[in-house]
Amino acid sequence: GQQLNQSPQSMFIQEGEDVSMNCTSSSIFNTWLWYKQDPGEGPVLLIALYKAGELTSNGRLTAQFGITRKDSFLNISASIPSDVGIYFCAGPPGPGSSNTGKLIFGQGTTLQVKP
Amino acid sequence: ETGVTQSPTHLIKTRGQQVTLRCSSQSGHNTVSWYQQALGQGPQFIFQYYREEENGRGNFPPRFSGLQFPNYSSELNVNALELDDSALYLCASSLGGGDEQYFGPGTRLTVT
Repeated sequence: GQQLNQSPQSMFIQEGEDVSMNCTSSSIFNTWLWYKQDPGEGPVLLIALYKAGELTSNGRLTAQFGITRKDSFLNISASIPSDVGIYFCAGPPGPGSSNTGKLIFGQGTTLQVKP
Repeated sequence: ETGVTQSPTHLIKTRGQQVTLRCSSQSGHNTVSWYQQALGQGPQFIFQYYREEENGRGNFPPRFSGLQFPNYSSELNVNALELDDSALYLCASSLGGGDEQYFGPGTRLTVT
């Protein structure tokens, strides 16, 4: 089945640094979603992307829908301690899938920020 | 605007027992999806309910079942609990089955 692979698996950075993470798939996705999950909480939707090549920002966060439709990128500028958490990419299976309503999630990128 | 709420927050059950988890969707949302998240992994889709009917199902056995009520709230029922069912169960709501799903805080289920 379709899978999403996120890299890096974890990151440990200094406060103020910029962060980049990505998500790749062997098959096409028509929508890319980025979520952040804090310990003991549910994922929070950060950014939704619907068009190949689309670049969307939400404050210090910027995400891009890859031209091939098989990848997406999330950048965080000037990181702060509250950026700590697990970042997940997700998307619905491609056309022809019987799994209506399903989102497939990557395994997550864990971000730690040193003050 | 009221977000997605879930109850209970935590639950401890014994292997073989049955459990019911509850979810209230975000105001204005008519679709509810359920996910299971094991420790250190991303959420795995269980099923989705739209207009009180199952609208899609992931790779979970029939002992995982659900309901949606006219007010769009939902229940997840798991029968014959197994140790591997220990996980965070997440409910997400959306409008008309749209791709943007908004999650509740989850219910942490521990099976002993």
